[in-house]
Amino acid sequence: EAGVAQSPRYKIIEKRQSVAFWCNPISGHATLYWYQQILGQGPKLLIQFQNNGVVDDSQLPKDRFSAERLKGVDSTLKIQPAKLEDSAVYLCASSLWGGLAGGPEQYFGPGTRLTVT
Amino acid sequence: GENVEQHPSTLSVQEGDSAVIKCTYSDSASNYFPWYKQELGKGPQLIIDIRSNVGEKKDQRIAVTLNKTAKHFSLHITETQPEDSAVYFCAAPNNNDMRFGAGTRLTVKP
Repeated sequence: EAGVAQSPRYKIIEKRQSVAFWCNPISGHATLYWYQQILGQGPKLLIQFQNNGVVDDSQLPKDRFSAERLKGVDSTLKIQPAKLEDSAVYLCASSLWGGLAGGPEQYFGPGTRLTVT
Repeated sequence: GENVEQHPSTLSVQEGDSAVIKCTYSDSASNYFPWYKQELGKGPQLIIDIRSNVGEKKDQRIAVTLNKTAKHFSLHITETQPEDSAVYFCAAPNNNDMRFGAGTRLTVKP
């Protein structure tokens, strides 16, 4: 079974530029998550999709971050414009289902390491 | 919301020794507690999880214990090997998502 795919693996941009990340979840997984992992910290959820609908985006900085999952499969996360503090690893994860505290297993992709200079 | 505290932040052991990492959580409604291992340049990988209807779960050299009354759970790795060196994260559910601890960097010295 193929895992969660992400691209690019690394990205360096200057502040105020734009950047987009792509994620392809495990086939058949209805729930997709985007996390931000700052160096030395645990992942922090940015947004959760159930199929093509948003379940939770309460921690997404909506003035500069946006995400979509138009056909309920692949997803893109965009930052526009980027700030220095956005430097982090952006992780995509997927699970069969989601939305309950008893939680399903989440499977993570390798992440995209973003450096904003 | 859920608050997850993880200790220690770094742990160094000799090969063959045991390693224990502890986490506490705040939401008494939480009932699923996974542990992830993250190697350099990779995403977190689920290594073991436990649900609140059991107090302990074991998988070869890895075990997790859960004390719901005290709201803490622990990861135990026995007979550690150099390939166990990584950052380990605990997590607990918060409504629709997972809250992660800050991580423990485990180093196993050969």
